[in-house]
Amino acid sequence: GQQLNQSPQSMFIQEGEDVSMNCTSSSIFNTWLWYKQEPGEGPVLLIALYKAGELTSNGRLTAQFGITRKDSFLNISASIPSDVGIYFCAGPTGNQFYFGTGTSLTVIP
Amino acid sequence: EAQVTQNPRYLITVTGKKLTVTCSQNMNHEYMSWYRQDPGLGLRQIYYSMNVEVTDKGDVPEGYKVSRKEKRNFPLILESPSPNQTSLYFCASSTGTGGYEQYFGPGTRLTVT
Repeated sequence: GQQLNQSPQSMFIQEGEDVSMNCTSSSIFNTWLWYKQEPGEGPVLLIALYKAGELTSNGRLTAQFGITRKDSFLNISASIPSDVGIYFCAGPTGNQFYFGTGTSLTVIP
Repeated sequence: EAQVTQNPRYLITVTGKKLTVTCSQNMNHEYMSWYRQDPGLGLRQIYYSMNVEVTDKGDVPEGYKVSRKEKRNFPLILESPSPNQTSLYFCASSTGTGGYEQYFGPGTRLTVT
């Protein structure tokens, strides 16, 4: 199956800092999705990207669809404590979905 | 309230004892799916269903069965659980092809001893 690798694996940041994380694949994706999983919950969709080069924002979150179609990036500006969680990239191939390995974010007040 | 429900939320069982984890959604979604989440591996798709009576294998289907007799329900069956199936399981649903916003259930933590 497809492999989606995310980096960094974990981040510990001070409240107010900006965050950047990325996701790379060995194969091309035509859609990139970013999910957030809070402790004890299922993942929730944050942003969906449908076109190479696309840049989409959702509040303080901005995601980009890499032009090679093999990568995607997520930025969080001015982090706050409620940003804590695991962030996953994901992409569909046909009717199957593949998720990345996740980036765990800890925000220190 | 639109939601995906899973039961049980926690389960401890022994090797070889058949079990079923139920999943139900109230959004009339065509697409339903099961994932397992393991540390460092992210979520991996076990099985998915495009509609009633249509199921397909995901990336890690070995040791699992599913059925889709009704649109709202998609149970996950472990006929003979083994310790390597100890994991956190999520059910999800979406509107189908092109509908990529999957709604996830709260998860079922399974321990097989």
